[in-house]
Amino acid sequence: QKEVEQNSGPLSVPEGAIASLNCTYSDRGSQSFFWYRQYSGKSPELIMSIYSNGDKEDGRFTAQLNKASQYVSLLIRDSQPSDSATYLCAVKRGSTLGRLYFGRGTQLTVWP
Amino acid sequence: DTGVSQNPRHKITKRGQNVTFRCDPISEHNRLYWYRQTLGQGPEFLTYFQNEAQLEKSRLLSDRFSAERPKGSFSTLEIQRTEQGDSAMYLCASSLEGQATTDTQYFGPGTRLTVL
Repeated sequence: QKEVEQNSGPLSVPEGAIASLNCTYSDRGSQSFFWYRQYSGKSPELIMSIYSNGDKEDGRFTAQLNKASQYVSLLIRDSQPSDSATYLCAVKRGSTLGRLYFGRGTQLTVWP
Repeated sequence: DTGVSQNPRHKITKRGQNVTFRCDPISEHNRLYWYRQTLGQGPEFLTYFQNEAQLEKSRLLSDRFSAERPKGSFSTLEIQRTEQGDSAMYLCASSLEGQATTDTQYFGPGTRLTVL
């Protein structure tokens, strides 16, 4: 079982729609959860971090964490073509010092 | 506040040659990480420094790979006797030790290595 798994893509939504990205993780001791956005050929850019169960909102982005289900999600409201990118879920385990475990990413396309 | 910088941005080398990459973290950050990313995959952890101490190394980091952070500031990653399988984007990230809310990793632009 992989440390971090993301829903298979690619995901395609029309402009203005809600895009929903999902991620599950295997280690129950995981403490910190991150969503990064990565444009083609570029490096990952942090969008959101979440540490406690529940929702965390930042502009059009909402991260949701459910530690009991070992599940993290990212909702993008009012999707824009500029949101088209690969979204990476990353998890920091409690037992490791600093490394992040990444999923393979979900490619999102927002069409006008 | 400048971000993480990496040099070179691109490197093309022939199999068997040695290459060295440099990473300069965000100035107040004491933690520095190296990751490798191949096409269609998420970044994979290679190694991690806190100040000048190398605290964690992945099993991916074979004996051909070595990383240093001699003064706790910039870091170098050297790959000896490169192989075609080393072709990847090498990413550096930095963070500030402290509460979980501050230990967030910020990535540099990466060095794309192509081994011919």
